[in-house]
Amino acid sequence: GENVEQHPSTLSVQEGDSAVIKCTYSDSASNYFPWYKQELGKRPQLIIDIRSNVGEKKDQRIAVTLNKTAKHFSLHITETQPEDSAVYFCAASIRVTGRRALTFGSGTRLQVQP
Amino acid sequence: NAGVTQTPKFQVLKTGQSMTLQCAQDMNHEYMSWYRQDPGMGLRLIHYSVGAGITDQGEVPNGYNVSRSTTEDFPLRLLSAAPSQTSVYFCASSAQQNQPQHFGDGTRLSIL
Repeated sequence: GENVEQHPSTLSVQEGDSAVIKCTYSDSASNYFPWYKQELGKRPQLIIDIRSNVGEKKDQRIAVTLNKTAKHFSLHITETQPEDSAVYFCAASIRVTGRRALTFGSGTRLQVQP
Repeated sequence: NAGVTQTPKFQVLKTGQSMTLQCAQDMNHEYMSWYRQDPGMGLRLIHYSVGAGITDQGEVPNGYNVSRSTTEDFPLRLLSAAPSQTSVYFCASSAQQNQPQHFGDGTRLSIL
């Protein structure tokens, strides 16, 4: 079936460096791609999203890029800070049992070393 | 606004017991969904609903039932609990499936 794959599963960077997380999807009709941040013991929270008619979107230190042809999208975090340490999930609106539903990647644990 | 409210926050069950996890939202959202989160497995979609009276199976529906009799409520029922269903369960809602989803705080469920 349709799915979302996310890499890497863990990522360790030095404070101030950039971090990049990549996701691929299989449903070529997917039109919505959000990213969520989840701190330990907390709920996932939306940090940025992009739609299929846009190639890139930025919000301060966070950006997302989308390549519809290759069916992949990426999260870029610049000037990382210790408080960026968390698990990050990508998601895509894909067809599941006939209708569209938001399906998540397996997550990336980001550790920012001070 | 309370957002998405899940009850209970914690629950321990014995194998074979049944129970219902409650989820309610006060944002008049049409789309609601249930996920389970196991360590290292991300969020897996159990069931979802695009509106009152409509429910669909997600990636891992076996052992779970849902109903959507009102826009506000989307309860998840475990029919006969098994240890493999030990997990954290999140409910989420959004105006439509391609809109930002709001998550509840989760229910931590342990089955002995």
